[in-house]
Amino acid sequence: GAGVSQSPSNKVTEKGKDVELRCDPISGHTALYWYRQSLGQGLEFLIYFQGNSAPDKSGLPSDRFSAERTGGSVSTLTIQRTQQEDSAVYLCASSLQVGVNEKLFFGSGTQLSVL
Amino acid sequence: QKEVEQDPGPLSVPEGAIVSLNCTYSNSAFQYFMWYRQYSRKGPELLMYTYSSGNKEDGRFTAQVDKSSKYISLFIRDSQPSDSATYLCAMSTGNQFYFGTGTSLTVIP
Repeated sequence: GAGVSQSPSNKVTEKGKDVELRCDPISGHTALYWYRQSLGQGLEFLIYFQGNSAPDKSGLPSDRFSAERTGGSVSTLTIQRTQQEDSAVYLCASSLQVGVNEKLFFGSGTQLSVL
Repeated sequence: QKEVEQDPGPLSVPEGAIVSLNCTYSNSAFQYFMWYRQYSRKGPELLMYTYSSGNKEDGRFTAQVDKSSKYISLFIRDSQPSDSATYLCAMSTGNQFYFGTGTSLTVIP
């Protein structure tokens, strides 16, 4: 596609429910990142995928968070048993590859509100 | 200490002013330096990208990197109301990115 696509753009859920956020990266980009952006905070790294390599999960805040990337393209971030502190904008970004003059291109994000 | 520190702002300037946005960092392993612009309810958009000390100019925007002082700046000349946004600095070691908290800029017509 022309850019990084994320869905839904907004998600309101009740505390304790599970949510799935989707990211469709730019075609041909092998690296995909998930970030979380809270009001007044910088971008918090969550996880990244590079090709068929094992993902770097070092930024996931708890075991309620998981992500997968199927077929090296679309990725889904899943948050189980959501808590109010999970409310934030979840941003996905892709780049051509990791490690070599890479430039990140972001989607518009999913605004998650946990009531 | 955070990896990247960014002046919090917010900044409010009249149209036509020169704007200076700044970040400092502590990790000498950072090789790539970027500025992103983020409009409300949108994802960050890459504005400037550089990997060496010195200045890089693109239209009204100049990115400056001083690796010896671990300091980067973004200058906006002849600022326009359309420049009103949050500006995020970012740095990379090559496979991991670190972002500033962002500076909110408002350019008043």
